[in-house]
Amino acid sequence: EPEVTQTPSHQVTQMGQEVILRCVPISNHLYFYWYRQILGQKVEFLVSFYNNEISEKSEIFDDQFSVERPDGSNFTLKIRSTKLEDSAMYFCATSPRQGPHEQYFGPGTRLTVT
Amino acid sequence: LAKTTQPISMDSYEGQEVNITCSHNNIATNDYITWYQQFPSQGPRFIIQGYKTKVTNEVASLFIPADRKSSTLSLPRVSLSDTAVYYCLVRNQAGTALIFGKGTTLSMSS
Repeated sequence: EPEVTQTPSHQVTQMGQEVILRCVPISNHLYFYWYRQILGQKVEFLVSFYNNEISEKSEIFDDQFSVERPDGSNFTLKIRSTKLEDSAMYFCATSPRQGPHEQYFGPGTRLTVT
Repeated sequence: LAKTTQPISMDSYEGQEVNITCSHNNIATNDYITWYQQFPSQGPRFIIQGYKTKVTNEVASLFIPADRKSSTLSLPRVSLSDTAVYYCLVRNQAGTALIFGKGTTLSMSS
C-alpha cells in the first residue's frame, strides 16, 4: 500500500536555526498538508497546498513558516528561525482530491528545539 | 464548522464492542462526519466517514441518527492493539483542513 514518507524522523536544532522538514507524498495525490502536534496536545492544522499554492493556512502558520514543492515530488516545510515552542511532531498528509476525502498521514518528524 | 464533543477517555476489555459517541449539535447540511485513529507517536489514520444512517467497513461501523446531531463509532471485538486516541471530526464538502479536538483515549484491559 502506498505511504507518505517523511524525513528526518527526528531533528534536533538550536533556537534561531532554520529547519526543513521533508515529505514525499503518495504519487498521484494532489493535495498536501502539514499538521503539528505538541507533546500531549491535539493535532493542529498548519497549511494546505495545491497546484503550487497555499490554499489554506492557520494562525500558527506565520511568516516564520513556508512550504514548497521544489522538485515535483518532495513537499517541504521550512521554519526560518526556530523557537522553543516549535518543538513538536510535524505530520505531512496528502489527499488525492479536495473535499471530505481521506487524508493519508506520514509517520511524522519529531522536532526538538533547544 | 460544527464543534464536536466526545468523552475524554473510555475503558474496555478485549473482545468487547466499544461505542464512542460524538455530539455535533450545529452540524450543517453539507457536513460529513469523519473518524480518525491515532496510535502513540504515529500520524492519525482514517477509520470511517459518513453522512447519514449507517456506514460499515472492515474496521468499524458508524451510526448517524436522522437529525445528525450525534454519531457513534462502533468498534467490534476490540483487542489490545485498538488502544489509541479516536477523533470525531466534522467536514464540509469543500473542506481541506482537518480540525482535531482532544479525542477519546481508549484504554484496554486484557
